[in-house]
Amino acid sequence: EAGVVQSPRYKIIEKKQPVAFWCNPISGHNTLYWYLQNLGQGPELLIRYENEEAVDDSQLPKDRFSAERLKGVDSTLKIQPAELGDSAVYLCASSLGDSATEAFFGQGTRLTVV
Amino acid sequence: GNSVTQMEGPVTLSEEAFLTINCTYTATGYPSLFWYVQYPGEGLQLLLKATKADDKGSNKGFEATYRKETTSFHLEKGSVQVSDSAVYFCALSPGGSYIPTFGRGTSLIVHP
Repeated sequence: EAGVVQSPRYKIIEKKQPVAFWCNPISGHNTLYWYLQNLGQGPELLIRYENEEAVDDSQLPKDRFSAERLKGVDSTLKIQPAELGDSAVYLCASSLGDSATEAFFGQGTRLTVV
Repeated sequence: GNSVTQMEGPVTLSEEAFLTINCTYTATGYPSLFWYVQYPGEGLQLLLKATKADDKGSNKGFEATYRKETTSFHLEKGSVQVSDSAVYFCALSPGGSYIPTFGRGTSLIVHP
């Protein structure tokens, strides 16, 4: 069974440019999470989806970050415009939802803003 | 709010040494506790978990016991291998849902 797939693995952009990350969760997983991981830190939740509904986006900086999960499957996370401080690894994870006892993580997208 | 505190790394050990990575937590109610591992170049993987007080999670020779009286979930392994070199994250999730909150991670380096 395929795991959580993220793309791209690496992205380098200039500041003020837009960038988008894509995540394909494990088939059948209702819950999808986007986490931000700064260097030397643990992952921090940005947004959580239950199917297509964002149920927890309190930590998402809405002035420049946006996310969507059309049809309750794939998800995209966008930053516009990117700032130097956005350089980090963006992790996507998925789980079975209410009965979940584990989340499965993708390999992440490492963003460098120059 | 919920939070997790881990010992700072890196932890550097020789092969076959005993490992302890300390983790304490702050949470309301009865959270579930987890250890995740991140090998170089790979995503986070669940290593073990415990869902109630006094439970012991174990996997691949690693163990951790949910201690409610000391709010701790220390990770231990009796004999580490070079292949155990990775970053280890302690995490908790509120009871009744799965929304993990992570510690900052502890890097383990095992020398032959």
